[in-house]
Amino acid sequence: GAVVSQHPSWVICKSGTSVKIECRSLDFQATTMFWYRQFPKQSLMLMATSNEGSKATYEQGVEKDKFLINHASLTLSTLTVTSAHPEDSSFYICSAPDRRSSYEQYFGPGTRLTVT
Amino acid sequence: AQSVSQHNHHVILSEAASLELGCNYSYGGTVNLFWYVQYPGQHLQLLLKYFSGDPLVKGIKGFEAEFIKSKFSFNLRKPSVQWSDTAEYFCAVNARGDSWGKLQFGAGTQVVVTP
Repeated sequence: GAVVSQHPSWVICKSGTSVKIECRSLDFQATTMFWYRQFPKQSLMLMATSNEGSKATYEQGVEKDKFLINHASLTLSTLTVTSAHPEDSSFYICSAPDRRSSYEQYFGPGTRLTVT
Repeated sequence: AQSVSQHNHHVILSEAASLELGCNYSYGGTVNLFWYVQYPGQHLQLLLKYFSGDPLVKGIKGFEAEFIKSKFSFNLRKPSVQWSDTAEYFCAVNARGDSWGKLQFGAGTQVVVTP
């Protein structure tokens, strides 16, 4: 199946700094990617839809100025957590649909963010 | 409000036992339904999906699920589990009016299969 990678897999940052997380579709192109957040022992919550060449669509309650999304190419979407705070510590997962397999969603391995 | 609920958060069973995980959703319209699995240290993977047609859906690794529209349910089953089925299982829903790929997930069920 298709492969989606994320980088880094794990990051620790200090409060007030910004962190960028990359999501790449390695063997297919994705005009749309999705960013999820997962708290310990909880479900994945959709944060936003990343659209190649246009603005991201954010879910209700997600601060777009805090979670900046850029989908600059057909294989790369980035999520930047700006002015991070400890409550932003979480597991961030991206996914991308592959039209070759009827738009089945392929998920990245996730990025563990810890803000100290 | 739209929601997806999974009945069990943690299930422990022995090899060769049968497994059934419950999933109920609350949506006003037509939905696409999914079960995903996440093995320890790995990505989420699709087990099976239902869009339309036969409500009994067969997936990979011997899993199947049944869509019961009247009960808003999409329960996952496997007749005989193996130790390698130890994983976390997520039910997910895509409402037909939403953009494709926009999924709402249940809380997940951690399944532990003992030898």
